[in-house]
Amino acid sequence: DAKTTQPPSMDCAEGRAANLPCNHSTISGNEYVYWYRQIHSQGPQYIIHGLKNNETNEMASLIITEDRKSSTLILPHATLRDTAVYYCIVRVALAGGGADGLTFGKGTHLIIQP
Amino acid sequence: GAVVSQHPSRVICKSGTSVKIECRSLDFQATTMFWYRQFPKQSLMLMATSNEGSKATYEQGVEKDKFLINHASLTLSTLTVTSAHPEDSSFYICSARSLFTGNTIYFGEGSWLTVV
Repeated sequence: DAKTTQPPSMDCAEGRAANLPCNHSTISGNEYVYWYRQIHSQGPQYIIHGLKNNETNEMASLIITEDRKSSTLILPHATLRDTAVYYCIVRVALAGGGADGLTFGKGTHLIIQP
Repeated sequence: GAVVSQHPSRVICKSGTSVKIECRSLDFQATTMFWYRQFPKQSLMLMATSNEGSKATYEQGVEKDKFLINHASLTLSTLTVTSAHPEDSSFYICSARSLFTGNTIYFGEGSWLTVV
């Protein structure tokens, strides 16, 4: 799986949009971009994933650049409960297989300030 | 999203004893389950991958005789830490995937193990 680069930490004011960047310049054509977050002392929580189109769900939006070498996770209205470590992971997603586990980097520690 | 549950959430055991952690997929059948370990202030490290009915595949450096993994059904995998030592104290997390989840991997809440 391709490697990713994320800033180690970011601050965001409560109520504002949090934009978390991720670089994945060596991403392959069949690799998806996945985002997870881990709140302290809990298991990781799936947020969103995408291949090349922008994606949105009830938690966040994912913007992937046209060349797919970077992406941004957007939390539209950050709350204190969004304080967590956010992981950007690229991996092959095969509907019928792909048994590889996720490889976690160090992620971005997002701190929402009141 | 799919729900994965672990039990117990916290366990304390004496050095030299064995402890079992259960991981269940509550609303889907998990063809593949993964076990991770996380030490304080570090990222998650994949320990092993198990497919239902097959022997687990362990990552390099993980002792298969010490960390016994059983995936006997499509909804249950267990991790048994045998002859536990204080250095095995850690946060253990399971995850699961299947065709139902479209290959997206969902995680359990994690289990804190303290060996005294």
